[in-house]
Amino acid sequence: AQSVTQLDSQVPVFEEAPVELRCNYSSSVSVYLFWYVQYPNQGLQLLLKYLSGSTLVKGINGFEAEFNKSQTSFHLRKPSVHISDTAEYFCAVSAEGAQKLVFGQGTRLTINP
Amino acid sequence: DVKVTQSSRYLVKRTGEKVFLECVQDMDHENMFWYRQDPGLGLRLIYFSYDVKMKEKGDIPEGYSVSREKKERFSLILESASTNQTSMYLCASSPVFVAGLAYEQYFGPGTRLTVT
Repeated sequence: AQSVTQLDSQVPVFEEAPVELRCNYSSSVSVYLFWYVQYPNQGLQLLLKYLSGSTLVKGINGFEAEFNKSQTSFHLRKPSVHISDTAEYFCAVSAEGAQKLVFGQGTRLTINP
Repeated sequence: DVKVTQSSRYLVKRTGEKVFLECVQDMDHENMFWYRQDPGLGLRLIYFSYDVKMKEKGDIPEGYSVSREKKERFSLILESASTNQTSMYLCASSPVFVAGLAYEQYFGPGTRLTVT
């Protein structure tokens, strides 16, 4: 069964600094990969997705992620964060043969002024 | 835009009550899901449905049941609410699976349920 590991449960950064949220997955077959964001007391919103093609995927709010098949990773990056990026971020994977997404435990991103 | 709505944002119920959480999506999606979210545990899948009147157990179905009588509506039922079911409940929908891979899910705003 596939699994997703988000290596950091909390990431504090200063405003305008770059950030990387790490995600590793375990699957030996084809995958789709997703990053979601959850603002306080809201549902999850899709940030970006990798289905096929270019390994560098751009999403909303200036975020991007890179699919690395050899390292089974899909890390999320933003070159300069804003206070409004404070939220919880979830990585998810869909592996061939599965009928559902598997979510990581989430990473809480805190932006300090 | 896909819209997934949940009947309540906040709900307070007593132990032993039967609780219904309703979810409606407006994009004609075949698949619908119920999750619960707890601090430190991430999202855990309770049940999902890939067609009307079809349902599959997720990772933590105990104490819950579901109903899908119409394509757009998926209900989660707590037969006899208990305090350990206090949680945030999230509903999601997605299009039909593509090439054997589950596609992205669209989430509702969540229902924060407190059982006292």
